[in-house]
Amino acid sequence: DIQMTQSPSSLSASVGDRVTITCRASQSISRHLNWYQQKPGKAPNLLIYAASSLQSGVPSRFSGSGSGTDFTLTISSLQPEDFATYFCQQSYSTPRTFGQGTKLEIK
Amino acid sequence: QVQLQQWGAGLLKPSETLSLTCAVYGESFSGYYWSWIRQPPGEGLEWIGEINDSGRTDYNPSLKSRVTLSVDTSKNQFSLKLSSVTAADTAVYYCTSHVGHDGDSTWGQGTLVTVSS
Repeated sequence: DIQMTQSPSSLSASVGDRVTITCRASQSISRHLNWYQQKPGKAPNLLIYAASSLQSGVPSRFSGSGSGTDFTLTISSLQPEDFATYFCQQSYSTPRTFGQGTKLEIK
Repeated sequence: QVQLQQWGAGLLKPSETLSLTCAVYGESFSGYYWSWIRQPPGEGLEWIGEINDSGRTDYNPSLKSRVTLSVDTSKNQFSLKLSSVTAADTAVYYCTSHVGHDGDSTWGQGTLVTVSS
């Protein structure tokens, strides 16, 4: 299985901050990397697919980059509704595997 | 736009079989992969497996011996069975859909399944 390692595991930030979350794969996954946002009690919501493609309806303050083994999710200017947990997922091969999550909290 | 609605028993005893079904609305059944993903309380996400419209399956090796996925194209539904459950299978189970290598763009509402004697 491909192991996905996210960092940091938690992060405190303020509204308006620029935030970056990283995800590293244990082997090259080309650009088959997806990012999700999950709020308490809700299903995850796809934000970014194929490393940098913005899912329909997702605000443009979210962006993704990377290829191979190293990827980043950036939120350009945090909004109150962005405080949530974020997961990366590789879709290069099955079993699809997820990072352990990054909990983004209000400072 | 695809919508998924899932249902199934929420409380099981050890050794019983978990059974969940997911109905697909708003889109053709063909051309998609239909998946199940679970999340133990307070933990991360685990991919269980996927099935396509022709019934081709792919399972997580960690669960393969206990998992069966199936589709009923006449009803636009797909199902998960997980046998011999233990407390370690307690989780919220989600049905999802994706195309090719893309992310899981549509999720069901989730079903909390608790395994307890």
